[in-house]
Amino acid sequence: KAGVTQTPRYLIKTRGQQVTLSCSPISGHRSVSWYQQTPGQGLQFLFEYFSETQRNKGNFPGRFSGRQFSNSRSEMNVSTLELGDSALYLCASSLLWGIAYEQYFGPGTRLTVT
Amino acid sequence: DAKTTQPNSMESNEEEPVHLPCNHSTISGTDYIHWYRQLPSQGPEYVIHGLTSNVNNRMASLAIAEDRKSSTLILHRATLRDAAVYYCILRVLHNNNDMRFGAGTRLTVKP
Repeated sequence: KAGVTQTPRYLIKTRGQQVTLSCSPISGHRSVSWYQQTPGQGLQFLFEYFSETQRNKGNFPGRFSGRQFSNSRSEMNVSTLELGDSALYLCASSLLWGIAYEQYFGPGTRLTVT
Repeated sequence: DAKTTQPNSMESNEEEPVHLPCNHSTISGTDYIHWYRQLPSQGPEYVIHGLTSNVNNRMASLAIAEDRKSSTLILHRATLRDAAVYYCILRVLHNNNDMRFGAGTRLTVKP
């Protein structure tokens, strides 16, 4: 079974631009979560989607948004990029939504904002 | 917030067992204990999770204390490939189900 895939793997953007990152979950998985990882803050939860609905959201500004499609694929968008948004963005999928289900992570998208 | 406490770093010798401790004194009856690890330059990898009973899988064992306030991840024979940051995460039912990563334990495996 193929793992979680994320595209693109690397991205360079300029401050003020917007960016869209894509995540394809493991086949059959219906929940997708997004995380930001930086050297200073570590791994931080962004949001989680299940059945095309955002189930919960971390403490990030409204510039960070996401959505999930009917085939469970997910995208996250960051508008008006800031230098501090440079990070590794990780997507994880799980079979269903809930604390009893393990998450499987993709390789991440490395975003650099200049 | 539900929190876990782990040592910042641990060392092990190759082919020896490793016991990685985690304290979660605020745990309640419905909270799950999850372990993930992150190898250098990779995304986190699921290791194991449990609720009350000890759990075993092909990667590791999870030993949960009787009062559930602590747990131990056991790698039975450490290999160089097991060198990673290990995260113990408490997933709380009434905390919107999100996963909150702490700083984890950096495991170094010596040949």
